Amino acid sequence: AQKVTQAQTEISVVEKEDVTLDCVYETRDTTYYLFWYKQPPSGELVFLIRRNSFDEQNEISGRYSWNFQKSTSSFNFTITASQVVDSAVYFCALSGSGTASKLTFGTGTRLQVTL
Amino acid sequence: EAQVTQNPRYLITVTGKKLTVTCSQNMNHEYMSWYRQDPGLGLRQIYYSMNVEVTDKGDVPEGYKVSRKEKRNFPLILESPSPNQTSLYFCASTELGAETEAFFGQGTRLTVV
Repeated sequence: AQKVTQAQTEISVVEKEDVTLDCVYETRDTTYYLFWYKQPPSGELVFLIRRNSFDEQNEISGRYSWNFQKSTSSFNFTITASQVVDSAVYFCALSGSGTASKLTFGTGTRLQVTL
Repeated sequence: EAQVTQNPRYLITVTGKKLTVTCSQNMNHEYMSWYRQDPGLGLRQIYYSMNVEVTDKGDVPEGYKVSRKEKRNFPLILESPSPNQTSLYFCASTELGAETEAFFGQGTRLTVV
């Protein structure tokens, strides 16, 4: 069975601070994919990134960066110089070759960025 | 524009009154699914469909039905809603395969009183 753990339920930071959201996963698939989605207060789910299990290169997109470490089964997400607009719930998710297109989600981390 | 459209966005209903939440996608995707989101539980899959007339249970299927008569539409049916089905529901659409990004509808916030 697949499992995604986001141990941080809620994080509060002050604007311009860096923040890292943790994601730990479990799967028996040798080929799998990891995702991050953002859910702003308006409620929709916004796709942020997809990473496959064979690509452990870190990725940076503007203020966002992702650190994938297969050895620790983690796919952490860092926001540099956070802004109030980053306030949202962030979900980490996993899909595997054994479960086709099904996404297994973590329980989410609520990020609150204040002035 | 690639889109998954859910209706309604908000719904308040009474226990036992049958309801349908519609979902439609314009990307010709084979795979469609329904998730429910509850506080502290994240999103959990209710049902999924890999193609027309092919549906199967997800992790939390009790109390729900689905149908897939056309590729673009995947309605979620609650035959006899109960208060424990009060939740935020998302329809998702994707190409078949674990590597593909899922496109989500805007969500339907359902309250059963």
